[in-house]
Amino acid sequence: AQSVTQPDIHITVSEGASLELRCNYSYGATPYLFWYVQSPGQGLQLLLKYFSGDTLVQGIKGFEAEFKRSQSSFNLRKPSVHWSDAAEYFCAVGSNDYKLSFGAGTTVTVRA
Amino acid sequence: EPEVTQTPSHQVTQMGQEVILRCVPISNHLYFYWYRQILGQKVEFLVSFYNNEISEKSEIFDDQFSVERPDGSNFTLKIRSTKLEDSAMYFCASRVEGNTIYFGEGSWLTVV
Repeated sequence: AQSVTQPDIHITVSEGASLELRCNYSYGATPYLFWYVQSPGQGLQLLLKYFSGDTLVQGIKGFEAEFKRSQSSFNLRKPSVHWSDAAEYFCAVGSNDYKLSFGAGTTVTVRA
Repeated sequence: EPEVTQTPSHQVTQMGQEVILRCVPISNHLYFYWYRQILGQKVEFLVSFYNNEISEKSEIFDDQFSVERPDGSNFTLKIRSTKLEDSAMYFCASRVEGNTIYFGEGSWLTVV
């Protein structure tokens, strides 16, 4: 069965500082991996996805993620966060039928 | 940018009542999904739908739930007799073959 673990429930970061959100997955084959962001009361917006190929994936809003098969990880990074990046971030793993399993999410707080 | 739209954005219903949540997927998409997120919990897969039939459903999707694509544009989720534990945010999603899955902004269902 596929599953995702996001070890950090809550991260606080200063505006302008770098951010890294951890994601570990469990899946028997080559996974499809996603990061979504959810602002309060809003839906899920796709930040980036990995299907195959280059293991460093660029996304929207300056985010990137790196797929590391040996570590079963797909960590999300941003070099310099903005106050508008405060939100909840979800990592998800899917099979080729796109049945996604989500992690519990990491809430990011940005302090001035 | 095309988007998945959902109505209503918020619905309050009494326990035992029937609820229909509506979704308009992106127009050329072929695969449709419902997910839900109970407050404070993970986003969970409910059901996938393709070619006018259910492709896969989770154990959550019991006989109280049904989905329908009544007119080629709408995709609905019906809960026949709501329970308190059905209170959640329900997300509709859609995709084309081999492509990204797009989520709507969700419908908050509160069962009282």
